[in-house]
Amino acid sequence: TQLLEQSPQFLSIQEGENLTVYCNSSSVFSSLQWYRQEPGEGPVLLVTVVTGGEVKKLKRLTFQFGDARKDSSLHITAAQPGDTGLYLCAGGHTNAGKSTFGDGTTLTVKP
Amino acid sequence: NAGVTQTPKFQVLKTGQSMTLQCAQDMNHNSMYWYRQDPGMGLRLIYYSASEGTTDKGEVPNGYNVSRLNKREFSLRLESAAPSQTSVYFCASRDRGSWPQHFGDGTRLSIL
Repeated sequence: TQLLEQSPQFLSIQEGENLTVYCNSSSVFSSLQWYRQEPGEGPVLLVTVVTGGEVKKLKRLTFQFGDARKDSSLHITAAQPGDTGLYLCAGGHTNAGKSTFGDGTTLTVKP
Repeated sequence: NAGVTQTPKFQVLKTGQSMTLQCAQDMNHNSMYWYRQDPGMGLRLIYYSASEGTTDKGEVPNGYNVSRLNKREFSLRLESAAPSQTSVYFCASRDRGSWPQHFGDGTRLSIL
């Protein structure tokens, strides 16, 4: 079983602070997705990274895929209460047809 | 734009009862998935269907069966519900050649 470990499991910060969450594995993935899930809803895709070393930015969110395609990070600048939610990473392989999900990081941003 | 639709949204069952969770997608996606989400455990894959007419076991298939009725619909059946199956169940679909999955809003299932 390929595992994706996310850290930290829980994070509570004040509005305006910066934060980084991590997604690590001993396996190589063809691509990695980050999702955000709000209470009572399904996960919603934020970004897909496919190339080792790739960096993608989505407004205040910066995503990086490790050079060896085994790990990824999500950095949020100047967090806002609207960023509150469960952040999930998922890794996939080209021919596997299915993804492996991490257990998520629960982020709370206090106003 | 419905996307992935799951029914019902909530259900309470007694131990031993059976029920079918329904999922339909209107995006013409080939692959469909069923996950369960327990507190602190992320998403665990129960079954998936890479294409119409095929199904495969995921990480936690015991106690469940699935049917890929057609390209749009993928149902999950609990034949004899157990309290350990209390969870939130998510259906997802994915387009061939594209990794991101599109999720429904979930079915919250409690088994007493």
